[in-house]
Amino acid sequence: QKEVEQNSGPLSVPEGAIASLNCTYSDRVSQSFFWYRQYSGKSPELIMSIYSNGDKEDGRFTAQLNKASQYVSLLIRDSQPSDSATYLCAVKRAFTGGGNKLTFGTGTQLKVEL
Amino acid sequence: GAVVSQHPSWVICKSGTSVKIECRSLDFQATTMFWYRQFPKQSLMLMATSNEGSKATYEQGVEKDKFLINHASLTLSTLTVTSAHPEDSSFYICSVLLADQETQYFGPGTRLLVL
Repeated sequence: QKEVEQNSGPLSVPEGAIASLNCTYSDRVSQSFFWYRQYSGKSPELIMSIYSNGDKEDGRFTAQLNKASQYVSLLIRDSQPSDSATYLCAVKRAFTGGGNKLTFGTGTQLKVEL
Repeated sequence: GAVVSQHPSWVICKSGTSVKIECRSLDFQATTMFWYRQFPKQSLMLMATSNEGSKATYEQGVEKDKFLINHASLTLSTLTVTSAHPEDSSFYICSVLLADQETQYFGPGTRLLVL
């Protein structure tokens, strides 16, 4: 079982729709979760972080965390063509000696179609 | 956030040569930086954790004698790929760890092509 799993996609949504990206993780005691966006050929850029169960909203983005079910999701409202990118889910390891390392999923490719 | 730069942005070199990549934190003093590698269509793989003033901590399977990391100041970490070979061709990305000890911001990356 991979530590962080994401559906590779591509996930295609029409412009203006809600895009829903999901991520599951295996380490039950993980505490910190991040979503990064990576455009083709570019490095990742941080979109959101979430640490507590529930929803966290920032503009058109909402991160959702459910520690009991070990999943974290990212909703993008009013999707725009500029949102087309690969979205990486990252989980901070919680084990002793793990330091501040992040484990990344393989990413979900999102395509927002006109 | 944090502003992170990398130099060079891309480099082409001959097999057997060494290449140095710089990662600079422009607006933040970073005690900890990370080096990642990303092959096409794959996710980021952590290579090592770079700590200012001490030796880097390498991930399992990463040769420390091949990938030399120096973090001599709070704003600069360097990665030197020694005796590069075509299989080392990849996208190398650094990140800085913010003071919250949680959040990482990435540099723009360096694309290395070894001929």
